[in-house]
Order: sequence, then structure tokens, then C-alpha cells
Amino acid sequence: AQSVAQPEDQVNVAEGNPLTVKCTYSVSGNPYLFWYVQYPNRGLQFLLKYITGDNLVKGSYGFEAEFNKSQTSFHLKKPSALVSDSALYFCAVRDKAGGGNKLTFGTGTQLKVEL
Amino acid sequence: DAGVTQSPTHLIKTRGQQVTLRCSPKSGHDTVSWYQQALGQGPQFIFQYYEEEERQRGNFPDRFSGHQFPNYSSELNVNALLLGDSALYLCASSPTKGANEKLFFGSGTQLSVL
Repeated sequence: AQSVAQPEDQVNVAEGNPLTVKCTYSVSGNPYLFWYVQYPNRGLQFLLKYITGDNLVKGSYGFEAEFNKSQTSFHLKKPSALVSDSALYFCAVRDKAGGGNKLTFGTGTQLKVEL
Repeated sequence: DAGVTQSPTHLIKTRGQQVTLRCSPKSGHDTVSWYQQALGQGPQFIFQYYEEEERQRGNFPDRFSGHQFPNYSSELNVNALLLGDSALYLCASSPTKGANEKLFFGSGTQLSVL
């Protein structure tokens, strides 16, 4: 079975400061990893994905994530946060060997960026 | 180019009733998945449709069923509604059922069961 843990329900950061949203995963094989963002009353929007290759993945809106196989982590980062980044962030995993494109999501981390 | 569209946006039902939710995938996409997002939780996979057949299923009872039409649109049906079925139901599409594909999500149908 595959699973994702997002240990922080909420992350607060000042605008202009770097931000990190944490994610750890568990799969039986090699993972595909994703980050999605959800704004109020909206569906999920894709930010970035790790499939293979470079452990540092760059995505939309200046976000990036680092895949660490030994720590089974895929933390989301941004060098300089904006107030408009305030939203609910979900990490998700898919087992490469599982077939299909079913995603298993974490419980989400609410990011609040303050002036 | 329209993205994933879902209807209705909101729905109120009573326990025991049946409901049908609809989804039109993004143009060029042939694979549709449904997710249930309860309040304060991450989305949970219900099932996936490809070539008009259910290909994968999550841990949901048989009260949850679906259908995919030749134009790739899809329906989610829930019978004998329970209070616990109240949630945001999200439809997602992708150009193939490949494991490396990202999903495109609709804005969801908010279902309230009273």
C-alpha cells in the first residue's frame, strides 16, 4: 500500500522569506511524486512532479521540490514567499509498478503567508 | 480550451436518496478519475475509467458506481446516501492512463446529505 504523510497542518511564513512544506511517502516500489495546490472552493492545481532523474524538480509559480530517496521525502520549497501563495497544499504519491494513475494524497498543509 | 467541467456545483440530498454527478474531461483526455474530499482531508480515490470501463477502484462500497460515455465524459452515482457521503467530489482527467501523467481537476461538486 502507498501512503503520504504531511506532518504540519499549517505553516506560517512572512512574505519574502523562504518556505518549506514537508512531505514523506511510503510505496513498495519506486515512486512518482506530485504536489498540488487548492484554493478555496476550487479543485486542485498541479504544481510539479518527480518521475525520474534530477532530484530537484522545478514547477509552477517559482516552486520547487527535492526528492530524497534515503529519507523518503519530497519537501516543497520556494525561495521567497508571496501572500498570494496562501493556500492548501497536497503531496501525492503513485507507485510506478501499480499501473494506472491512481494518486494517494496526504491530508494537506495550509500555508499562510503574512505581510 | 475548457478544462475539466463538473455539474452541478452544489447539491443537497437527504439520507437514502440517490445522486448522479457529471464530469466532462479536458479536451484530448480519455481517462477520468473520481475522488472524494471530506472536510479537512485529502482527496480519496474512488475509481478510474478508461475506454468506458472501470480500471481501478479505491476502497469504496458498491453504492458508488460510475460510467464513462463514448465521448469520454463520466458520471458518478451514489445510492442509498449516508450522512458520511457529504463531501466535495472531484473529477480528474488525463490524456492517458499512464502512471507518469499529471491529473487535471475540476472545481468539484459539493454534496451535502441531510
